[in-house]
Amino acid sequence: EAQVTQNPRYLITVTGKKLTVTCSQNMNHEYMSWYRQDPGLGLRQIYYSMNVEVTDKGDVPEGYKVSRKEKRNFPLILESPSPNQTSLYFCASRGDPLTDTQYFGPGTRLTVL
Amino acid sequence: GDSVTQMEGPVTLSEEAFLTINCTYTATGYPSLFWYVQYPGEGLQLLLKATKADDKGSNKGFEATYRKETTSFHLEKGSVQVSDSAVYFCALKGPLAETSGSRLTFGEGTQLTVNP
Repeated sequence: EAQVTQNPRYLITVTGKKLTVTCSQNMNHEYMSWYRQDPGLGLRQIYYSMNVEVTDKGDVPEGYKVSRKEKRNFPLILESPSPNQTSLYFCASRGDPLTDTQYFGPGTRLTVL
Repeated sequence: GDSVTQMEGPVTLSEEAFLTINCTYTATGYPSLFWYVQYPGEGLQLLLKATKADDKGSNKGFEATYRKETTSFHLEKGSVQVSDSAVYFCALKGPLAETSGSRLTFGEGTQLTVNP
């Protein structure tokens, strides 16, 4: 089954404690991205990757890092989480640019105390 | 920059009622337009899309027409069901998006609840 998986699905942590949210896709997609979803703001892109070792900032990259060492994985790293990073996070991937269709993971709900 | 504005929610309807969720956009050039749906506890799924003016996207009884003259892409369904209860997001992908991360610009989302 074609899918995008994220782990963990839920996480409660404290300010300053480094964490990583993993994202993996099994569709051999080149393009992957991270979004955060906040009430009244819709989804905003954090980082994206056009291919292995190619990453770039989206609209709200501050406080986040990413890496793309393998095509299937695109982890999101919060080196020093703060309460304003409490949000719902989605990973997405896309194959052929002509299809315009992005596939989203189930989401990770992060709470930073 | 690009932006999408959706009608404010939440929207509550009775089963078999007619649904309209308004969406208007601001973009340079000719964007592609999308409706995504998010069911409770799940990620977003593409519902329908349109890539040029006057195109009509349709899926699962939902329809939306790309209206360039009014910069709109309103979502409609003639008879909603309880299973349609979800959050609906209007989104666009600008024509230059390939040089800026293929970014989707989303609206705020509209919560739809359908009661039996």
